[in-house]
Amino acid sequence: DGGITQSPKYLFRKEGQNVTLSCEQNLNHDAMYWYRQDPGQGLRLIYYSQIVNDFQKGDIAEGYSVSREKKESFPLTVTSAQKNPTAFYLCASSNQGTGRPQHFGDGTRLSIL
Amino acid sequence: GENVEQHPSTLSVQEGDSAVIKCTYSDSASNYFPWYKQELGKRPQLIIDIRSNVGEKKDQRIAVTLNKTAKHFSLHITETQPEDSAVYFCAALNQAGTALIFGKGTTLSVSS
Repeated sequence: DGGITQSPKYLFRKEGQNVTLSCEQNLNHDAMYWYRQDPGQGLRLIYYSQIVNDFQKGDIAEGYSVSREKKESFPLTVTSAQKNPTAFYLCASSNQGTGRPQHFGDGTRLSIL
Repeated sequence: GENVEQHPSTLSVQEGDSAVIKCTYSDSASNYFPWYKQELGKRPQLIIDIRSNVGEKKDQRIAVTLNKTAKHFSLHITETQPEDSAVYFCAALNQAGTALIFGKGTTLSVSS
């Protein structure tokens, strides 16, 4: 979906460094999500936000942080506390309410230098 | 905790054959079940979804069936084509209705 933009496409992190992945959507969706994808592991939920200035931890939140200051933006910071950050990160958004389809961005591939 | 199991992890079929992928979920309160297709290096794309008040839904060559009693749902692809080759993910809405729980994916290969 062209309405969700993730940047950068590729990102490299040095030891002890925090990095921030950007996610912007122009679909006017209330809810936004961050997933981590590893080979053979499916999509695992890191954080999600149902509304501005509010967010909840997903299944694997340790070592990550987020903010939701604007409806359109949901940046994810991978902190130095995340010891195995190499993965493909996907951002998604959806309308509010039960059973609303999620639309994904193109993803950011994070690697360790 | 809430969980979605997906089988098989890999599936190889000949062009024109049917393919079936099965998922089971743990939370009986789940009421929304989407299926996503992810081609190599691309974003997951929603291909079909079903809600718990419906037993089956079709869209051209794709169908999804839901058995609420047994807590499982399946994706059926008929007359498979090489362009159907991709990773397919099932998902179920969590108990709170706030997030999706995904299966680990099925890699479908269609050979011509």
